[in-house]
Amino acid sequence: KAGVTQTPRYLIKTRGQQVTLSCSPISGHRSVSWYQQTPGQGLQFLFEYFSETQRNKGNFPGRFSGRQFSNSRSEMNVSTLELGDSALYLCASSLLAGAYEQYFGPGTRLTVT
Amino acid sequence: KNEVEQSPQNLTAQEGEFITINCSYSVGISALHWLQQHPGGGIVSLFMLSSGKKKHGRLIATINIQEKHSSLHITASHPRDSAVYICAVWEETSGSRLTFGEGTQLTVNP
Repeated sequence: KAGVTQTPRYLIKTRGQQVTLSCSPISGHRSVSWYQQTPGQGLQFLFEYFSETQRNKGNFPGRFSGRQFSNSRSEMNVSTLELGDSALYLCASSLLAGAYEQYFGPGTRLTVT
Repeated sequence: KNEVEQSPQNLTAQEGEFITINCSYSVGISALHWLQQHPGGGIVSLFMLSSGKKKHGRLIATINIQEKHSSLHITASHPRDSAVYICAVWEETSGSRLTFGEGTQLTVNP
């Protein structure tokens, strides 16, 4: 069974631009969660989607948004990029929503200049 | 104070040593993850547990729900075990979000 895939793996953007990251979960998994990892803040929860609905959202500004499609693939979008948005963005999939084992993708390394 | 605290933050060991990484949390949880992150970023789930003890190869994870404490043990450590080990908890009240510890950087020297 293929693992969680994320595209692109690396991205360089300029302040003020927007970016869309994509995550394809393990086949059969219906929940996708997104996380941000920075050297200063560590790993932080962004949001979770299940059956195309956002179930939970972390403490991030409205510039961070996401969605999930009927095939469980998910995208997250960051608008009006700031230097502080430079981070590793990880998605994880699980069979169902809530406290189920998470399977992480390789991450997208975003650099904002 | 972070809701999830790990100790130590950094750990250097010689190959073959027995290693323990500790995780304490201050909230009610439904389950706890131990994760491993290698340079380059990829994260692997080692264990998910809500009670007792689990073992996989040279790795053992234990949790004491009453004391709000979990430990990850590595027996007969090897240089390939060098990585960051992260404890993460599913908070009871939030339901569907993980709260992470800061991680423990483990270096095993040959």
